[in-house]
Amino acid sequence: ELKVEQNPLFLSMQEGKNYTIYCNYSTTSDRLYWYRQDPGKSLESLFVLLSNGAVKQEGRLMASLDTKARLSTLHITAAVHDLSATYFCAVPTNSGYALNFGKGTSLLVTP
Amino acid sequence: SAVISQKPSRDICQRGTSLTIQCQVDSQVTMMFWYRQQPGQSLTLIATANQGSEATYESGFVIDKFPISRPNLTFSTLTVSNMSPEDSSIYLCSVDRGRRNEQFFGPGTRLTVL
Repeated sequence: ELKVEQNPLFLSMQEGKNYTIYCNYSTTSDRLYWYRQDPGKSLESLFVLLSNGAVKQEGRLMASLDTKARLSTLHITAAVHDLSATYFCAVPTNSGYALNFGKGTSLLVTP
Repeated sequence: SAVISQKPSRDICQRGTSLTIQCQVDSQVTMMFWYRQQPGQSLTLIATANQGSEATYESGFVIDKFPISRPNLTFSTLTVSNMSPEDSSIYLCSVDRGRRNEQFFGPGTRLTVL
């Protein structure tokens, strides 16, 4: 059974600080997705990581993928309040098309 | 990207009734997916809907409870049948688009069952 584990599940951080969210998955996958969800909203695609060593950056967020370690990281640089949201990582299911999601990391950035 | 709409956006229903959720995409797609997000939880795949064939359900989800239609390449419906309070969730449809297999999600349908 494919498992996707994120940690931490809850994160409270001060503005201006850096932090990393980790996503481990249990079976081989060459793709990994990161999404953001604001309260009461749907999912917004942040990053699609397609190969080992892939690194993508958008603003204060940077995501990386190590397929050998089955690990992806989402690094937050100099956090700002607008980054407060829940972040999900996901990998393809065995069918290769749908997604299996982690439990999500609820991030709160405080002044 | 893909523009996905869902109807209704939210509903409050009585126990024992059924609700049909519609998902419309702005262009043709082969696969559409239905997910459930229970309060404060992650997303769980209910089924994969291909046009012209029966939907494929994940473990724990059955056709009698969640019948799905996929009449064409831009539209699908999910029915939540004989509802109970445990069915209170957000139901999201998504599509797989582009060479990067990026998945896009609809705005969701927030269902409350009393």
